[in-house]
Amino acid sequence: GEEVAQTPKHLVRGEGQKAKLYCAPIKGHSYVFWYQQVLKNEFKFLISFQNENVFDETGMPKERFSAKCLPNSPCSLEIQATKLEDSAVYFCASSQQQGNEKLFFGSGTQLSVL
Amino acid sequence: AQSVTQLGSHVSVSEGALVLLRCNYSSSVPPYLFWYVQYPNQGLQLLLKYTTGATLVKGINGFEAEFKKSETSFHLTKPSAHMSDAAEYFCAVSSPRDMRFGAGTRLTVKP
Repeated sequence: GEEVAQTPKHLVRGEGQKAKLYCAPIKGHSYVFWYQQVLKNEFKFLISFQNENVFDETGMPKERFSAKCLPNSPCSLEIQATKLEDSAVYFCASSQQQGNEKLFFGSGTQLSVL
Repeated sequence: AQSVTQLGSHVSVSEGALVLLRCNYSSSVPPYLFWYVQYPNQGLQLLLKYTTGATLVKGINGFEAEFKKSETSFHLTKPSAHMSDAAEYFCAVSSPRDMRFGAGTRLTVKP
């Protein structure tokens, strides 16, 4: 597709429940990035992929968060046992090149943990 | 490590007035710099970017930004604000493995 598609737009979970977010990058883009936007604070880098391989996971919380990009499937970001502080908008972005000179962002998934 | 500082979390201008949103960066290598805009309930839209070459960069919707290495700045300007410019604006700096955003500046345009 011509745009990064993130689903769902909104996701509501009770504390302790699992949350799974999806991202379909633009066709032909090899790099996928996940960011967490907490209110208006800085976009926290979580993880990036080059095709199905983890490229950089220095921003990923070691516990509860995991991500995958499998061939012929949307990428996913999963949070096990959600906590209140996980409430945020999660953005996915894709890029053709490693240098991420131009990232194309999705519209985000608003996760609310109650 | 690269970082971005946006001066002023909230800027308010009158319609037709000059818009100036400030951004300073820190980078150990020649930076790639970006301005993004976020409208309510929407994702990020690229306004403009600087990679190499001309230091004055023109973007969409009449915005432009000037890369000043000596001042480590990349301020965003627009000569005349329009009501539709009201949004959150993010400055960002990129490296091959990462992209760091500033905390954002909310622009309000008064009639």
